[in-house]
Amino acid sequence: NAGVMQNPRHLVRRRGQEARLRCSPMKGHSHVYWYRQLPEEGLKFMVYLQKENIIDESGMPKERFSAEFPKEGPSILRIQQVVRGDSAAYFCASSLAGGPDTQYFGPGTRLTVL
Amino acid sequence: AQTVTQSQPEMSVQEAETVTLSCTYDTSESDYYLFWYKQPPSRQMILVIRQEAYKQQNATENRFSVNFQKAAKSFSLKISDSQLGDAAMYFCAYRRWGGGADGLTFGKGTHLIIQP
Repeated sequence: NAGVMQNPRHLVRRRGQEARLRCSPMKGHSHVYWYRQLPEEGLKFMVYLQKENIIDESGMPKERFSAEFPKEGPSILRIQQVVRGDSAAYFCASSLAGGPDTQYFGPGTRLTVL
Repeated sequence: AQTVTQSQPEMSVQEAETVTLSCTYDTSESDYYLFWYKQPPSRQMILVIRQEAYKQQNATENRFSVNFQKAAKSFSLKISDSQLGDAAMYFCAYRRWGGGADGLTFGKGTHLIIQP
């Protein structure tokens, strides 16, 4: 049973470029969460999605960040016009359902903005 | 808003001994979930143990157990017979009960060092 897959594992972008991070949930899971981890910090919740719906985006920055989870394919976290402060590890988690179901994490994507 | 506090940035323990990692949280909710996640140098987040607030019995998973004190809003993790593979960052996390707001709130973590 494959776990949560994230790619790329490492991504380098120059300031002003776009970053696209992909997350494939565990088989059968239809709930996806994105978190950001800054150096020396814990993970911060960004957004919670189900297939084709954003359920909770209370942790997403208002500008430049967007997320989607289409009917087919992986979930995408998109960061437009990246800045150095966007450098962080971005983790995706998935669960079978919402509520009490455990969230299983992917290995993360480390974004470096030059 | 809920907050999670881990007051020990770093802990060190001798191999085979027992160590306890502290976690306190602040919430006005009466039902919720608590978790401990482990993040080894690979940076993969691994679930160690979970506790439902309505359960009075402390959760246990092999060498890992928790001391859940609901009134004190305390949720400590005890690791018995520490092994070198236990070396990692440990994060305490909270999630409210009910749907619609399922994001986890994490503490800043405790770096656990295992001395051989």
